[in-house]
Order: sequence, then structure tokens, then C-alpha cells
Amino acid sequence: KQEVTQIPAALSVPEGENLVLNCSFTDSAIYNLQWFRQDPGKGLTSLLLIQSSQREQTSGRLNASLDKSSGRSTLYIAASQPGDSATYLCAVRRATNKLIFGTGTLLAVQP
Amino acid sequence: NAGVTQTPKFRVLKTGQSMTLLCAQDMNHEYMYWYRQDPGMGLRLIHYSVGEGTTAKGEVPDGYNVSRLKKQNFLLGLESAAPSQTSVYFCASNLAGSYEQYFGPGTRLTVT
Repeated sequence: KQEVTQIPAALSVPEGENLVLNCSFTDSAIYNLQWFRQDPGKGLTSLLLIQSSQREQTSGRLNASLDKSSGRSTLYIAASQPGDSATYLCAVRRATNKLIFGTGTLLAVQP
Repeated sequence: NAGVTQTPKFRVLKTGQSMTLLCAQDMNHEYMYWYRQDPGMGLRLIHYSVGEGTTAKGEVPDGYNVSRLKKQNFLLGLESAAPSQTSVYFCASNLAGSYEQYFGPGTRLTVT
């Protein structure tokens, strides 16, 4: 059974710091991996999607990497801002469009 | 274009009561999903639908029923609510062939 773990569960950093969020999964037979952002009381917003054949994807200050063989992904956020404060979720996709979500990392960026 | 909307936003039920959560999307998406989110457990798939008139079980389907009578709507029903169904429920949808799932804002359900 696929399990997805995110470490740390919570993270607080001062504004301007670069940071890395971690995601690990137990079964490497995935189609792709996706990172989402969730603001309090809101739904999920997709940030980056990495196909199983890719090593990384970038969007603005965000960079996501994927090492399928070791079952790991990282989300790198450069020059963090208070507006980056949110919960970040990773999810792996196997058959069809079924997503298996991690438990999330709650990020607080202090001004 | 409203995207994915969910009704209601909040609800409190007593054990044994029934209710229906409504998800609507105006993007002509074929696929629709219901998830629940519990503290420390991430989102888990309850049921999903790949088209009008079709539904399938997800990871945690027990205690829930769904219907997809119209392409734009996906209903989640609780026939006899239990405290274990206290959760935040999210609906999502996507076009067939696309990995981009669009999520609704969620429904916070409390069962006492």
C-alpha cells in the first residue's frame, strides 16, 4: 500500500530564508507527483507537477525535485515571504487519476 | 466561471441524521472526486466518477453514497451520520486526460 510522508509537520522561518520541504513515498511505481498549497479554510491549489520521467520542475521561486528510485521529492522555496505561509501537500498519482496525499507541512514565514 | 463550488460550507449533524453535500463545476470536466481531510491524515479519496452516470469507490467509501446524474454535479450522501464522519470534505474535478485537479473550498461537517 502506498504511503506518503511529509517531514517536517511544521516549519517556521524568518522572511527571506530559503527552505526545503520533504516528501517520501513507499512505492516507486507512480505516474507523477504533485505539490499543492492549502490556505486556511480554502481548497487546494496546484503548484507543480513532476512526471515520473522528470527530475525537477520550476515555477518562479519554487523548484520541485523527484527521485523516484529512492521514493523522495523536495519542494525548494527561495527567498521566502510571509505570503508563502500555508500548508504544503504532496501527492503521488498511480492508476487513472487517483491521488495519494501526504499529511502536509504547515509553513509559517515570519516577517 | 465559478470553478468548483460546494454546498453547504458548514454543517452540524446529530448522530443518525442524513444529509447530502453538493459539488458543482462549470468547467465541463468529466472526472469528479470526493475527499475527506482529517488532522494528521492528509486527504483520502471517498468516491469518484469518470463521467455522468458512473461512480466508483475510493480509499474510504464506507458510510457514504454518491450520485452523478448530471455531468456538472457530484453528490455525496451520508445516510446515517456517525461522529467518525466529522471531517472537512473536498470536491475536485478535472478534464479527462489532464492531471490538473481543481478543488472546491471544502465543507466542514461536525457530527455530534
